[in-house]
Parts: sequence; C-alpha cells; structure tokens
Amino acid sequence: EDQVTQSPEALRLQEGESSSLNCSYTVSGLRGLFWYRQDPGKGPEFLFTLYSAGEEKEKERLKATLTKKESFLHITAPKPEDSATYLCAVHHFGNEKLTFGTGTRLTIIP
Amino acid sequence: DGGITQSPKYLFRKEGQNVTLSCEQNLNHDAMYWYRQDPGQGLRLIYYSQIVNDFQKGDIAEGYSVSREKKESFPLTVTSAQKNPTAFYLCASSIINQPQHFGDGTRLSIL
Repeated sequence: EDQVTQSPEALRLQEGESSSLNCSYTVSGLRGLFWYRQDPGKGPEFLFTLYSAGEEKEKERLKATLTKKESFLHITAPKPEDSATYLCAVHHFGNEKLTFGTGTRLTIIP
Repeated sequence: DGGITQSPKYLFRKEGQNVTLSCEQNLNHDAMYWYRQDPGQGLRLIYYSQIVNDFQKGDIAEGYSVSREKKESFPLTVTSAQKNPTAFYLCASSIINQPQHFGDGTRLSIL
C-alpha cells in the first residue's frame, strides 16, 4: 500500500527566512510525485510533477527535488503570500489513484 | 476561462436526506475524480471515472453514488447511508496520467 508522510505538520517562518518541507513516500513503482498548494476554503492548486530521482523543478521562490525515498519543497526568501498548506501526492504504475499526504501548513510572518 | 466548477459552495443535509454535489469541467478532460477532505487527514478518493458511462469505486465509496452521463459532468450523491458526511468535498479532472486539477470544493454540513 502506498504511503505518504509530510513533515513538519506546521511551520512558521519570518518573511525572508528560507526552509524546506519534506515528503517521504513508500510506493511500488513511482509514476510521479506531485506538489500542490491549498489556500483555506479552496481546492488544491497544482505546482509540480517529479518523475525520477535527481529531478528538480522551480517556480518563483519554490524548488522541488526528488530522491528515491523523499521529496523536498524548498522555499527561498518566502513572502506572506506564500502562506498556505502544501500537499504532496504519489501516483504509481498500474493505478489511477493518487495517495496524498496530510500536508504542511506554512505561515510566513511579515 | 477553462476550469472546474463545483456547486454549491456550502450545503446542508437533514437527517435521512440524499444530497447531490455538482461538478462541471470545460477542460475536455477524460478523467474525473471525487475526494473527501477531513481535518488532519489526506484527501481520500471516493469515486473516479476515466470515460463516459463508466466509473470505479475509490477507497471510501460506501454511502456515495455517482454518474457520468456526459464528459463534462460528474455529480456526486451523498446518500442517507453515509453516516458521517460532514466534510469538504473536492472534484478534480485530468488527462489520463497527467496532473489532476481541482475545483474549489463544496463544504457539506449536517443540520
């Protein structure tokens, strides 16, 4: 059974203070790992897909990386508008379902 | 603009009542999905459909039903058999094997 564990559950940073969010996964035959951003009362917004170990993707202040066991979402010099819950999900070959982690709630303090 | 529209945004259910949540997409995606989100838990898959007139149960299908009569529409009915229906319900769509894109959800509460 696929498993996804995100840590920490919550993270508070000062504006400009860089950090990383972790997504550890157990899956047989990874097809893709997805990162989403979710604002309160809204649906998740797609950020990145990573397919193989060593792959990296960047968007503005966010950079996602992937190893064989985990993915990191690095946030550089965050701003208050980066405050949100960040969700990680995995997709494995032979299964159309995604398995989601419980998310990291990120708060950036001005 | 293309996107996924869920309605209503808020819904209240009385005891013994069935309620239907609407999900419409104009992205021309073949696959559509329904998830349930509860505090402290990851999104859990209720039903999904990869083609019109066909759908499969997800991990928590008991007490729910769906239909897929049109490519654009995938309504979810929460039946009276679902004993704990209070949750945030999310609809998603995708091209097969591509990232799923989500609507803005329906929050269902019990009166």
